[in-house]
Amino acid sequence: DIHMTQSPSSLSASVGDRVTITCRASQSISSYLNWYQQKPGKAPKLLIYAASNLQSGVPSRFSGSGSGTDFTLTISSLQPEDFAIYYCQQSYSTPRYTFGQGTKLEIK
Amino acid sequence: QVQLVQSGAEVKKPGASVKVSCKASGYTFTSYSISWVRQAPGQGLEWMGWISAYNGNTNYVQKLQGRLTMTTDTSTTTAYMELRSLRSDDTAVYYCARALDIVAADAFDIWGQGTLVTVSS
Repeated sequence: DIHMTQSPSSLSASVGDRVTITCRASQSISSYLNWYQQKPGKAPKLLIYAASNLQSGVPSRFSGSGSGTDFTLTISSLQPEDFAIYYCQQSYSTPRYTFGQGTKLEIK
Repeated sequence: QVQLVQSGAEVKKPGASVKVSCKASGYTFTSYSISWVRQAPGQGLEWMGWISAYNGNTNYVQKLQGRLTMTTDTSTTTAYMELRSLRSDDTAVYYCARALDIVAADAFDIWGQGTLVTVSS
């Protein structure tokens, strides 16, 4: 199975900061990488699909990049509503999928 | 609007079974697959398995094979997840999610609200 590792596991930042979260795959997954945001008590929300495509309705301060084994999610200017847990997910081994362990983004 | 609505919370004893439903609306049910994802308390997301709503093909994570069955009923546009021989570590919120096609990297664009399954004696 393809293993996904996110870093850091947690991160403290301030409103207005630029933040980058990294996701690494245990093998090449081309661009089959998606990013989700989850807030407490809520279902995950799709942010980015296929590594760099912004899901409809998601603010443009979110962006994704990468291919192969290394990927990043960047938030260009943190807003109060962005404090949440972020997960990457690979779909290269479709229809078998795996998630990263999550990155908790907290207010500094 | 496009939505997935799941059945309500369940409390089960160890060794019992649970069946969670996921009612789809607002889109052509058979044009998308459904995955089930669970989240134990305070933990991350765990993909459990996938079912094609078109032909019923399934694929389950290895650790749950033998205990897990996913089905769909196209007449009611509902997906079901049944987990048997429940253990305490099956306590989790269970989500269904619609998957986009491979061009969109099978991303899960629509999620149900989640169903809490508690396994306790």
